[in-house]
Amino acid sequence: EVLLVESGGGLVQPGGSLRLSCVASGFTVSTNYMNWVRQAPGEGLEWVSTLYTGGATYYADSVKGRFTISRDNSMNTLYLQMDSLRGEDTGIYYCLRGLRGTAHSWGQGTLVAVSS
Amino acid sequence: DVVMTQSPLSLPVSLGRPASISCRSSQSLVYSDGNTYLNWFHQRPGQPPRRLIYKVSNRDSGVPDRFSGSGSGTDFTLEISRVEAEDVGIYYCMQGSHWPVTFGPGTKVDIK
Repeated sequence: EVLLVESGGGLVQPGGSLRLSCVASGFTVSTNYMNWVRQAPGEGLEWVSTLYTGGATYYADSVKGRFTISRDNSMNTLYLQMDSLRGEDTGIYYCLRGLRGTAHSWGQGTLVAVSS
Repeated sequence: DVVMTQSPLSLPVSLGRPASISCRSSQSLVYSDGNTYLNWFHQRPGQPPRRLIYKVSNRDSGVPDRFSGSGSGTDFTLEISRVEAEDVGIYYCMQGSHWPVTFGPGTKVDIK
């Protein structure tokens, strides 16, 4: 069974940092293109970042230079390092396997709250 | 960025009746490999979204066949042939043909 479990969310002050983790089971992270998508409270979906199998990374302009997507193949885990956090980064962060093709799944999400 | 628009934004429907949601993109979603990366997602309150349709018209595993997707270029449609109670929630279209990936604003479907 394919499973994605996010963790690492929480309350952080503006300017602070968090590292989100997404542990995958039932498939290999390094052979899939992996994504983070977020949802602000009561709002729609916003793509955040993508990591290709070959290592190429893509970021939304709103997080470029502040967030870093990466993976640990030995742990079969995807990460999102979030620095210089702002209030508008508040929301649920979802880890996704794939977006375009057949292989696709979502985690349950982890809540990030940026507030003083 | 490719702007995705949806209509209507709110759709009250009667059980057993059909429903249709339109999604338009600000530029063609035909990718260089010939595919059109247009997805449809459904989100119930308090749950993560679930993909229903990928590449315009391909149903994901386990998605009932009352859901169908169609369209090309910049105009796309999600149709529900007979709405059931479990279909309430918000439907989003999403394009993956151009960076950045962008979502539509969502269409809220509820029962009349």
